[in-house]
This record gives sequence, structure tokens and C-alpha cells, in this order.
Amino acid sequence: DAKTTQPNSMESNEEEPVHLPCNHSTISGTDYIHWYRQLPSQGPEYVIHGLTSNVNNRMASLAIAEDRKSSTLILHRATLRDAAVYYCILRRRIIGANQFYFGTGTSLTVIP
Amino acid sequence: DTGVSQNPRHKITKRGQNVTFRCDPISEHNRLYWYRQTLGQGPEFLTYFQNEAQLEKSRLLSDRFSAERPKGSFSTLEIQRTEQGDSAMYLCASQLYSGNRQPQHFGDGTRLSIL
Repeated sequence: DAKTTQPNSMESNEEEPVHLPCNHSTISGTDYIHWYRQLPSQGPEYVIHGLTSNVNNRMASLAIAEDRKSSTLILHRATLRDAAVYYCILRRRIIGANQFYFGTGTSLTVIP
Repeated sequence: DTGVSQNPRHKITKRGQNVTFRCDPISEHNRLYWYRQTLGQGPEFLTYFQNEAQLEKSRLLSDRFSAERPKGSFSTLEIQRTEQGDSAMYLCASQLYSGNRQPQHFGDGTRLSIL
């Protein structure tokens, strides 16, 4: 799977929007962009994924650049429970490419 | 959906002992994955099963490690002759696979500490 680059850490004030960036300049046309987050002492939790178009769900929004070389996870209103490590991952849309490469992610701190 | 269950949550053992962890996936999920996570790092892929067949193993999975999924439901991960470097969180995930757009659902892991 192609590599992703994320900032090591970010801070946000509670109830403010948060934009978490991810660069994936070597993305291929068949790669899905997945985001997971990991709260302390828990396993990773699926947040959202997309291929080309922007995506929204109850947890977050995913904005994908037109050239797909970067994406941004948007938390519309950060809460203290959103403090976690956020991982941006690419998954090949082909049979046999089954590993997730998590990297070190972005540690999000939410300030009350 | 009762989620992915892992047992035990914590395991402390002496170096050289064997340990076994169990993972119960979400029912009807055909894929099951094992990962290892050390402090400050993201999870690292170890191996995965499709039903009962082990289809892929990482280079991280040394010959001291063995995983099984005998009936295509629960899975076990055994580490023989444990070493200090085996201390980590061992995570299990399951997936109803029909292409890589389906998310993986993770358990909360088994934390292994080697004395």
C-alpha cells in the first residue's frame, strides 16, 4: 500500500471544527482512503472512507483533493471524546492487497 | 452486533513461557486479522484469515508465532518461548469482506507484558 504522511499532533478547542490533513502523493487510482481513530486503551475505530468524492457520515466528513494526492478529515464540532490518534490509510481496491499500514497517525488534543 | 471480543485483556508472563490469546470476531464476518502495536506506534499487520484459511503472513510473524482459525469463527494466536520484544498490544479485527471498502472492526486488544 502507498504511504501516507500526517502531522504528529494537533490541538483543537472544544466545540470548534477540526481539520486533520493527510498527504498521499503516491496514491493510485484504485486506492480507497480510510480513516480510523484510536482512543486510549482501545482498538482502532473506523471513522470514514472514500475513493474520489467527498463523503459525510454521522462521525465526520472526508474531503478529497481533486488530484487525490491529499485528503482532510473534518470533525465539525470537536468534543473531549474526540481526543484520539487519527490514522489515514490507503487500501488497494484489488484482491490480495489486504494489509493496513497505519503509520503513526495524528494525536488530537481537545482543549476544554 | 456484539463487537470483536479479545481475551484475556492483559497477560503478564515470564520470558520463555508460551502464551495464547483468543479472538471472537463479529458473527458472520469472513475475515479475521491480527495486528501488533507497540507504544507510540500504529498497529502492524501480522496475519489474516479468510474463513479458516490463513492467507497471508507478515515477516513480523516469526516461527515462534502461530495463529489458527479452526472453524472459521474464533481465532487463537500463540507465542512460544516469549521474549522481551514480544511485549505489545495484540489486536484482532474482523471484516465482512466484499472488497477493500468494507471497514475492519477491531477488538480492544490483549496487552502482553514479558517480565
